[in-house]
Amino acid sequence: NAGVTQTPKFQVLKTGQSMTLQCAQDMNHEYMSWYRQDPGMGLRLIHYSVGAGITDQGEVPNGYNVSRSTTEDFPLRLLSAAPSQTSVYFCASKTLVGNTEAFFGQGTRLTVV
Amino acid sequence: GQQLNQSPQSMFIQEGEDVSMNCTSSSIFNTWLWYKQEPGEGPVLLIALYKAGELTSNGRLTAQFGITRKDSFLNISASIPSDVGIYFCAGQKDGSGNTGKLIFGQGTTLQVKP
Repeated sequence: NAGVTQTPKFQVLKTGQSMTLQCAQDMNHEYMSWYRQDPGMGLRLIHYSVGAGITDQGEVPNGYNVSRSTTEDFPLRLLSAAPSQTSVYFCASKTLVGNTEAFFGQGTRLTVV
Repeated sequence: GQQLNQSPQSMFIQEGEDVSMNCTSSSIFNTWLWYKQEPGEGPVLLIALYKAGELTSNGRLTAQFGITRKDSFLNISASIPSDVGIYFCAGQKDGSGNTGKLIFGQGTTLQVKP
């Protein structure tokens, strides 16, 4: 019972490098989302998707791109990493049918130097 | 961006004490959720509230959905060392869950002294 799987768990990037944070869920959830967690700021929504082919911006979308080609996967792309993107990133998914909880991955700790 | 105002920011208490934390918002939410995050892990749902005025318990945890739909509180009774973690409130505006967007508070860091 994998739930939400994020890779990698840790990553160090140099300023200007690009990378993709992976998120996969095996619960057939329509909704997937990416948050970043910074001290004292809680969890802030970056991008979200309500189904394959549909994405939308959250509170802090600048510097990040997403796509949703399948129900299972929702990768987050950093095209040109900046030190301000140093954070812990969480992927979450939920069904849109009824009142249900969001399930979170274990997080990716990203450091941009 | 909109966030929920969660307080207190941190608490350091003695084992056995009761804990109370709350979240407020300037706008209405149709669902309130309380999550706990342990070090190195993602948040895990503790309690979900779906109706204004609803009071729900989960073991030693009790949470209430405010009548105005603009606030919620979480109480932990007789705290134990494993209660240590960061507690987040989260609100969802769409009660039907059609968008699924969750807005989170800043978190309350709880430390329990044995």
